Amino acid sequence: NAGVMQNPRHLVRRRGQEARLRCSPMKGHSHVYWYRQLPEEGLKFMVYLQKENIIDESGMPKERFSAEFPKEGPSILRIQQVVRGDSAAYFCASSLTGDNQPQHFGDGTRLSIL
Amino acid sequence: QQQVKQSPQSLIVQKGGISIINCAYENTAFDYFPWYQQFPGKGPALLIAIRPDVSEKKEGRFTISFNKSAKQFSLHIMDSQPGDSATYFCAPIYSSASKIIFGSGTRLSIRP
Repeated sequence: NAGVMQNPRHLVRRRGQEARLRCSPMKGHSHVYWYRQLPEEGLKFMVYLQKENIIDESGMPKERFSAEFPKEGPSILRIQQVVRGDSAAYFCASSLTGDNQPQHFGDGTRLSIL
Repeated sequence: QQQVKQSPQSLIVQKGGISIINCAYENTAFDYFPWYQQFPGKGPALLIAIRPDVSEKKEGRFTISFNKSAKQFSLHIMDSQPGDSATYFCAPIYSSASKIIFGSGTRLSIRP
């Protein structure tokens, strides 16, 4: 499967714990995007990364959230000290370039906070 | 600031009928106009897209109509099938930013 791979598919955390979501882009894609979807809503942009660089993090909450896309390995979205309001589906997308090229989405990680 | 308004919120169509979903946008910098289809438990999948230099694009049963002056574009699904039942999002994008602005979604149900 050469698509965008996200893991885990489901993640359960207790309040105050850390959540780490992983995304491997499509082969050859060097641009990664993270989106959050609350139930019955559209996806909201969080952050746009290229290898080792954050290009646009205008949708990221100021605290507790961080993202990285290292030279080797998957992109990571990290949520520290999770709260109930962090419960959502988190989707990763990748594109070949950043110039209005199609973004291809993974099937998401469903995060539940107890 | 709501840049994209999608309607209707939900839609029920008989099998074989035409499904029409509309999207209005505010930002004239948008230069790529895709529609995404999302099934439960799955990520959005690019369905069809149009660039502003054409007014219509057809791929099989799916057609995008684009009205630049009205800042609107719509998705038409001809001969709708039960397998088309999904949530559809308009998602215009502008190249200088790259991030997608998703509409609020339309839940489409096709009755057999």
